[in-house]
Amino acid sequence: QQQVKQSPQSLIVQKGGISIINCAYENTAFDYFPWYQQFPGKGPALLIAIRPDVSEKKEGRFTISFNKSAKQFSLHIMDSQPGDSATYFCAARNSGNTPLVFGKGTRLSVIA
Amino acid sequence: EPEVTQTPSHQVTQMGQEVILRCVPISNHLYFYWYRQILGQKVEFLVSFYNNEISEKSEIFDDQFSVERPDGSNFTLKIRSTKLEDSAMYFCASSESGHNSPLHFGNGTRLTVT
Repeated sequence: QQQVKQSPQSLIVQKGGISIINCAYENTAFDYFPWYQQFPGKGPALLIAIRPDVSEKKEGRFTISFNKSAKQFSLHIMDSQPGDSATYFCAARNSGNTPLVFGKGTRLSVIA
Repeated sequence: EPEVTQTPSHQVTQMGQEVILRCVPISNHLYFYWYRQILGQKVEFLVSFYNNEISEKSEIFDDQFSVERPDGSNFTLKIRSTKLEDSAMYFCASSESGHNSPLHFGNGTRLTVT
């Protein structure tokens, strides 16, 4: 129940295209859903996060869509660029002060 | 921008040896964490630390592991007797006010146990 299932494992997108990464969870007590971006040799860096009281959050080219009834959330990267090539992790956390649970990651490659 | 720094970037050790991984969290942060990432797999929580004591730990964090804040700036993870399966990237993270605030990760220490 503590798992966050992420798909796809890897993704190749043409420059200018839309990258979509999906996550699903079981635990209805999760109330914070961040996405982290990780470049090779670096630690994960917070990209964008959402709470279940909204269905969408947009920051620049990055949008989180959240479907509470389906227990799913997704990251959309509009106008994908080669510099977006990285590994993306979704994560979730219970209400209260509990550790983040991470998905297995999606390796995104944006090709020109 | 302030950042979490970790040393060394790569540590090679023999099975059974003790290793200490070091971290300097962001200076005004109060909560400290260790996570690990086995190659190609997800990031896993090990332990959180606040007010000079462990606040939470996972099943992975057994008696072979310990954490310490020996002074006002460093935060260390010690593995007493390393096993082959301890080979992983170990990430230190810190936050201002616990899990309810964003976690800032360091660049990690790659531990290789031979």
